Amino acid sequence: GAVVSQHPSRVICKSGTSVKIECRSLDFQATTMFWYRQFPKQSLMLMATSNEGSKATYEQGVEKDKFLINHASLTLSTLTVTSAHPEDSSFYICSASSSLAGRVSYNSPLHFGNGTRLTVT
Amino acid sequence: TQLLEQSPQFLSIQEGENLTVYCNSSSVFSSLQWYRQEPGEGPVLLVTVVTGGEVKKLKRLTFQFGDARKDSSLHITAAQPGDTGLYLCAGGYQKVTFGTGTKLQVIP
Repeated sequence: GAVVSQHPSRVICKSGTSVKIECRSLDFQATTMFWYRQFPKQSLMLMATSNEGSKATYEQGVEKDKFLINHASLTLSTLTVTSAHPEDSSFYICSASSSLAGRVSYNSPLHFGNGTRLTVT
Repeated sequence: TQLLEQSPQFLSIQEGENLTVYCNSSSVFSSLQWYRQEPGEGPVLLVTVVTGGEVKKLKRLTFQFGDARKDSSLHITAAQPGDTGLYLCAGGYQKVTFGTGTKLQVIP
């Protein structure tokens, strides 16, 4: 089945530094990727939608200058948390869809990475 | 924004008991998905329901999509410790929205 690889699985960084998280689709072309943030015991909150070759679309309240998203190829999207602070500590998850504009259906379900646990000290 | 409310928020039951999780919205969805997520991992898709009134079974799990396609339920029969996890409903066409989540704990 379709696999999405997310790296790193865990990262600890110091306040003020930047962290890059990679999301790769291993056996399919992901025209659209989604980045989510999840706080403990809570659901996933969509941060942004990235489409290959175009600018990401950010959800309301998500700072685009702080969470830089690059979707340079059909198999790779990256999320960079710039100037990280302790309040950015969270579980970040990516998902990928092979369908146009990320439309979820039987034939094009979302495939999730295993997440990245970010801890900012 | 399409909101999906799940109930209950938390559920702790003994092994062998039955349970039902509900997912409700004021919006109509073309399809709804159910996921299970374990700590430190990404969500895993359990099922997708598309047709109003549809019932799908996955071993001891029964999923139903409401006739009006605004709600869904997940029923687990004879719960086992391996069913423990965070259950999420999700819906949406171009942009998937996740429900508020139900944390299930099955005690041996």
